[in-house]
Amino acid sequence: EVQLVQFGAEVKKPGESLKISCKSSGYNFPSYWIGWVRQLPGKGLEWMGIIYPRDSDTRYSPSFQGQVTISADRSITTAYLQWSSLKASDTAMYYCALKGYYGPYDAFDIWGQGTMVTVSS
Amino acid sequence: QSALTQPRSVSGSPGQSVTISCTGTSSDVGGYNYVSWYQQHPGKAPELMIYDVTKRPSGVPDRFSGSKSGNTASLTISGLQAGDEADYYCCSYAGTYNWVFGGGTQLTVL
Repeated sequence: EVQLVQFGAEVKKPGESLKISCKSSGYNFPSYWIGWVRQLPGKGLEWMGIIYPRDSDTRYSPSFQGQVTISADRSITTAYLQWSSLKASDTAMYYCALKGYYGPYDAFDIWGQGTMVTVSS
Repeated sequence: QSALTQPRSVSGSPGQSVTISCTGTSSDVGGYNYVSWYQQHPGKAPELMIYDVTKRPSGVPDRFSGSKSGNTASLTISGLQAGDEADYYCCSYAGTYNWVFGGGTQLTVL
């Protein structure tokens, strides 16, 4: 079974760093793009960026370029989203999602359950 | 890139049909046939309902259909059921491995 597993929640203070994970299983990890999506509390979905684990080709939404870093570790089939200095405005749910697993299409058909990041002093 | 424009809410009675619009630009919706739609129930992750404008993933009922004209895509849900009540998001490829979502539409089944 194809799965993307994310930890439920992280609580951090402003200025702290954070790296959240998306553990993949059940498929050939290097061969599929994995994207990250933000959802602010009570708001809509926002596209953040995407990575191709085979060669770590990474693309960012202009809105998130320079604000976060997306990476992947093929040895443990895990993708990451990280911040060097969190702000209260980073408080949100963060989803990872697999692009086109069930077919060669530009849509996201497998989603993690999300990690809720809370940044508060 | 700006978010795609969706109505904040739509509603319909069981058995009726509703259509949700999604308006973008020639750089996203109008420029590619890569519009997808996602259903999100409260507290749950999004689920893919339509991809490539009109196609349904395996397991999605044929009550869900998609279309596009110019810079506007649409999702139509026919034979509304109580379980269809959820938030719906459109998403379009916007070139150079970037995507853009709509603001979301809350569907209420009366």
